Order: sequence, then C-alpha cells, then structure tokens
Amino acid sequence: DVKVTQSSRYLVKRTGEKVFLECVQDMDHENMFWYRQDPGLGLRLIYFSYDVKMKEKGDIPEGYSVSREKKERFSLILESASTNQTSMYLCASSSGHPQETQYFGPGTRLLVL
Amino acid sequence: KQEVTQIPAALSVPEGENLVLNCSFTDSAIYNLQWFRQDPGKGLTSLLLIQSSQREQTSGRLNASLDKSSGRSTLYIAASQPGDSATYLCAVRPGMGRRALTFGSGTRLQVQP
Repeated sequence: DVKVTQSSRYLVKRTGEKVFLECVQDMDHENMFWYRQDPGLGLRLIYFSYDVKMKEKGDIPEGYSVSREKKERFSLILESASTNQTSMYLCASSSGHPQETQYFGPGTRLLVL
Repeated sequence: KQEVTQIPAALSVPEGENLVLNCSFTDSAIYNLQWFRQDPGKGLTSLLLIQSSQREQTSGRLNASLDKSSGRSTLYIAASQPGDSATYLCAVRPGMGRRALTFGSGTRLQVQP
C-alpha cells in the first residue's frame, strides 16, 4: 500500500513564526503536491513538484515556499505565518502514470494565533 | 479557469436508501475525473477514477458516471449504510499539461441508522 505521512497532525504557531510542514511518501512517486482545505472552498493547490528540486506554483502560492531535496520528501514552508494561513494542509503524491490517482496523507491542522 | 461544483452541499438519508451525488465542471476538456471520500479530520481516499474516454466505473455499491460533453458526473451509492457517512469530493484533472487536480467543495453525507 502507498503510504503518505505528514510530520504533524496538529500544530499551533504564533503570527510571524516560520513553519515547516513535512511530507514523506514511500512509493518512489515523481509528483508531490501541497493543498490547503478550507470550509466551503474545497482543496486548493499551493505548490507541486514533479521531480527533485523541481517545483511549480499552484493556485494560491503567496506566503508559501517549498523544498524537495529528496524524491520521497516534500516540505511546505510558511516564511512568516499569518492568521489567514490557519487551515488544514494536505500532502499528496502520484506516479507519472496518467491513469493513477493521487494518494493523500492524513493532513496537518494548523492554527496560527 | 476550471471550476467544479458539487450539489448538494449536505445530505442526510435513512439507512438502505439509494442516493446520487452530483458534480459539474465548467471546462469539458478534462483528462479524468475522480471521486474521493474524506472522513472527519482525515485525508482523502480515492473511490473511483474515470478516464475522459469512459462513461462509467463501478466498485462494489458505488457507480460513477461521466458525461464529458455536458460537464457532469454522478456518484451513485446503492443501499447506503451508516459507514458511508463522510464527505465525498469530486475532482478533475484538467489535462495532460496539468498534473494537479481541481476539486469541488464536497457533499457531506450522513446516513441515519
């Protein structure tokens, strides 16, 4: 079974802090994604990566950056956390095969005070 | 820009009832469409994936249909059970060039015992 793990289930941070969210997948997938999920808005893509050190902006990249130094690990960085970044963050991965779905981690619920 | 809409936003039914969840998308040039299930506070689990050339997919009590030309998909759940209670999300992959998914905001289903 594909496993996607996220470093924390719950995080509480203060405004202005630098926040790291880590995601690891164990299936040698090429593609990795970060989404945020907010009530009534569904999932929105923040960034995705299609290879080591390669990244592309999604629909809402402002205030975020990412790092992919190893194929299995994709990090989301909030350079200076703000209250409007309070959300559920979901990581996903997929192979390069066009018929394969995305596999999701359990999510990190982030509260910025 | 692709937009995905799911109606209704919430649904409550008695156990044993057959039900239909609806998904519509604005741009018919999609590569595939997927249905996911999300339990409260958890990540997403893929239920069914329909390629753009297909009309439907079935898995157990679930059947998903796709009418690409009209921009619609339905998820049919037969003989609903309390364990089916969850949020169901529809997502489209807009095309080969974009690997990320565009999600609807989901239908929250509650099946009453």
